Amino acid sequence: KQEVTQIPAALSVPEGENLVLNCSFTDSAIYNLQWFRQDPGKGLTSLLLIQSSQREQTSGRLNASLDKSSGRSTLYIAASQPGDSATYLCAITGFQKLVFGTGTRLLVSP
Amino acid sequence: EAQVTQNPRYLITVTGKKLTVTCSQNMNHEYMSWYRQDPGLGLRQIYYSMNVEVTDKGDVPEGYKVSRKEKRNFPLILESPSPNQTSLYFCASSSSNTDRNEKLFFGSGTQLSVL
Repeated sequence: KQEVTQIPAALSVPEGENLVLNCSFTDSAIYNLQWFRQDPGKGLTSLLLIQSSQREQTSGRLNASLDKSSGRSTLYIAASQPGDSATYLCAITGFQKLVFGTGTRLLVSP
Repeated sequence: EAQVTQNPRYLITVTGKKLTVTCSQNMNHEYMSWYRQDPGLGLRQIYYSMNVEVTDKGDVPEGYKVSRKEKRNFPLILESPSPNQTSLYFCASSSSNTDRNEKLFFGSGTQLSVL
């Protein structure tokens, strides 16, 4: 059974700092990995999707990498802003099913 | 505007009283699914649907029913709700099943409390 872990559970940084969020998974037989953002009281927004054949994806200040062999993905956020404050979740797609990590709650202070 | 709409946003009910949470998407998506989110447990998949009249169980289907009679709608039914079904529920959709690397679009969530 796929297990997805995100460390740290919470992170507080000053504005402008570059930061890395981690996601690890136990079964490397995956189709893709998605990173989501969740704001309080709102649904999830897909940020990046990395296919199993890819190593990384970039969107603006966000860069996500995938290393299937080690069961790890990282989300790199450059030049963090207060508006980046949210919970970030990674999710692994296996056969028809999506397994989520428990998330990292990020607070970026001005 | 492309969106997934869930109703209601908040619901308080009592044990055993049947309820339905509606989900509708306007993107002509084939794939739809339901999740519940609980503190410390993350999001867990309840049911999913590959297309009209095609549904299957996720990881935590006990106590829930779904139907997919139309492509745009995927209601979640709790026939006899119990307090352990108190949770935040999300509906999601994508243009095809997630194996084909299509992003998921989520609704805003339904906070359910069963007393």
